[in-house]
Amino acid sequence: ETGVTQSPTHLIKTRGQQVTLRCSSQSGHNTVSWYQQALGQGPQFIFQYYREEENGRGNFPPRFSGLQFPNYSSELNVNALELDDSALYLCASSQTGNYGYTFGSGTRLTVV
Amino acid sequence: AQTVTQSQPEMSVQEAETVTLSCTYDTSESDYYLFWYKQPPSRQMILVIRQEAYKQQNATENRFSVNFQKAAKSFSLKISDSQLGDAAMYFCAYRGSARQLTFGSGTQLTVLP
Repeated sequence: ETGVTQSPTHLIKTRGQQVTLRCSSQSGHNTVSWYQQALGQGPQFIFQYYREEENGRGNFPPRFSGLQFPNYSSELNVNALELDDSALYLCASSQTGNYGYTFGSGTRLTVV
Repeated sequence: AQTVTQSQPEMSVQEAETVTLSCTYDTSESDYYLFWYKQPPSRQMILVIRQEAYKQQNATENRFSVNFQKAAKSFSLKISDSQLGDAAMYFCAYRGSARQLTFGSGTQLTVLP
């Protein structure tokens, strides 16, 4: 098993900029989901992709968007960054029918 | 919408002792999954234990076990023979038909030597 890898591990951006975070899913997993974890809080669901299509979305504005590629890797894009977007962004992959989720170590985004 | 509540922001336990972390949830669904995740300072969420709602038997994984009370919508985690490596933030999570995980706010567990 290769696990879930996320890049970069840390990132600092300026308010108003755009950012792209990347996730490489665990081998054989066809579903990927993204979560935002603010400091001292539990993760909040952003969206989920299955076979390159979004099939679930949490309460996040459209400036949060994503992509899933044929190799099941994924991107999270955030436009017009705001200070409140500063958080740990976690990627999790899973396989259809298997309700176990494998998480990456996250990307720590700081917006200044 | 489903909600998950962890009422203990912090807990501490003596090494080799037993500790129980509490979790309650609210849902109108009958078929769902419940999870406990551990998040050490490395930030990676690690699955500790999973419970299917249709199973009456409580899940166990070595030193970790749950007390699942479906009618009361309660899902507590018991850690026996606590070890220093158990120190971490613990999150309770719910997964229903929406196929997303809903997390509680977490319990920071400290293990005292």
